Amino acid sequence: AQSVTQPDIHITVSEGASLELRCNYSYGATPYLFWYVQSPGQGLQLLLKYFSGDTLVQGIKGFEAEFKRSQSSFNLRKPSVHWSDAAEYFCAVGAKGNTGKLIFGQGTTLQVKP
Amino acid sequence: DGGITQSPKYLFRKEGQNVTLSCEQNLNHDAMYWYRQDPGQGLRLIYYSQIVNDFQKGDIAEGYSVSREKKESFPLTVTSAQKNPTAFYLCASSYRPYGYTFGSGTRLTVV
Repeated sequence: AQSVTQPDIHITVSEGASLELRCNYSYGATPYLFWYVQSPGQGLQLLLKYFSGDTLVQGIKGFEAEFKRSQSSFNLRKPSVHWSDAAEYFCAVGAKGNTGKLIFGQGTTLQVKP
Repeated sequence: DGGITQSPKYLFRKEGQNVTLSCEQNLNHDAMYWYRQDPGQGLRLIYYSQIVNDFQKGDIAEGYSVSREKKESFPLTVTSAQKNPTAFYLCASSYRPYGYTFGSGTRLTVV
């Protein structure tokens, strides 16, 4: 069955430090992959997406992610974290078939220390 | 601007009562989705609809019902059969496979 795993439930980084949030997926073909961010009490906002082509994808707010087929991973990175990046981050994969459904990971909560 | 509007933002339900959460989009998206979010459990799919007058159950449809009479609207009813309805509910739409656009959510609390 398809699944998405975000191994880290909580991550704390210092402001200005680099960030990497991990995402592993289980899928039998080239997946559609997404990263979303959610501020408390809000909906989810799309950070970036991968469909095909260049495996390094640039997104909004200075985020990027790299698709690695051999590792079934789609990790999210940011070179220098800002206090406003504190939020919950969700990785998602497009479900098989033509339903358009997304399967979400459990989420990673990012805390930023001043 | 195009987007998805969920209302109300906060909703309180008494025991045994049905309540309806509204979701409206003006993005001209065909597909719409309802998710439930509980702390530590990520997003769980309740129902989805790929076209008007058609919808399918998701992973946790018991105690919920939906309708899709218009492309723009996908209301969710939380029935009295849903024994633990307190949660954050998110509506989304998509022009597949390009990912979802989410509403800002409705927080439902049983009182």
